[in-house]
Amino acid sequence: DTAVSQTPKYLVTQMGNDKSIKCEQNLGHDTMYWYKQDSKKFLKIMFSYNNKELIINETVPNRFSPKSPDKAHLNLHINSLELGDSAVYFCASSQEGRGGNTIYFGEGSWLTVV
Amino acid sequence: GNSVTQMEGPVTLSEEAFLTINCTYTATGYPSLFWYVQYPGEGLQLLLKATKADDKGSNKGFEATYRKETTSFHLEKGSVQVSDSAVYFCALSRSGGSYIPTFGRGTSLIVHP
Repeated sequence: DTAVSQTPKYLVTQMGNDKSIKCEQNLGHDTMYWYKQDSKKFLKIMFSYNNKELIINETVPNRFSPKSPDKAHLNLHINSLELGDSAVYFCASSQEGRGGNTIYFGEGSWLTVV
Repeated sequence: GNSVTQMEGPVTLSEEAFLTINCTYTATGYPSLFWYVQYPGEGLQLLLKATKADDKGSNKGFEATYRKETTSFHLEKGSVQVSDSAVYFCALSRSGGSYIPTFGRGTSLIVHP
């Protein structure tokens, strides 16, 4: 059973379109994240939610909007897609507690904007 | 602010060679330190971690020791295999709802037969 699952895995779309990536975690974690990984493998945090509430919102264009219907789900909606949005998007989750917060990642969603 | 610095890659080795990937950090307080591995076409997965100074994390033959005095968490393996070819990320994190986990830029490892 996949702990953090995201769909779709691959997405090719035209500039200007709106698309969503869905994410679900079955680990019972309180915190979920969206990361963007560029072609050089650099990971940038975009958003973090804790118990459905936004706690981290890094400098991200407002075309990106996260939605958390419950603490097991964190979806990412992107409006008016641009070429520069092409990247791999990772959903992740973690649980507050002693021993640091190990982050569990999904398999990634490869977005290509043409 | 917090930061993690890793050696730039790619690191290219022959099978059975010794591996070291350097990682240093700056952080307030007492973070936990992690190494994550990303195999081609996959997400990141935890390789090992250490939660306090002098702790050693180990997994699959990889080791790293949390050195507070040198603010380092270098990854080592005595004998690499072709299957270890991947991108390795050093990271730090800490409890606290608004604490942002910090990742290094990743180091690509290529192991040749």
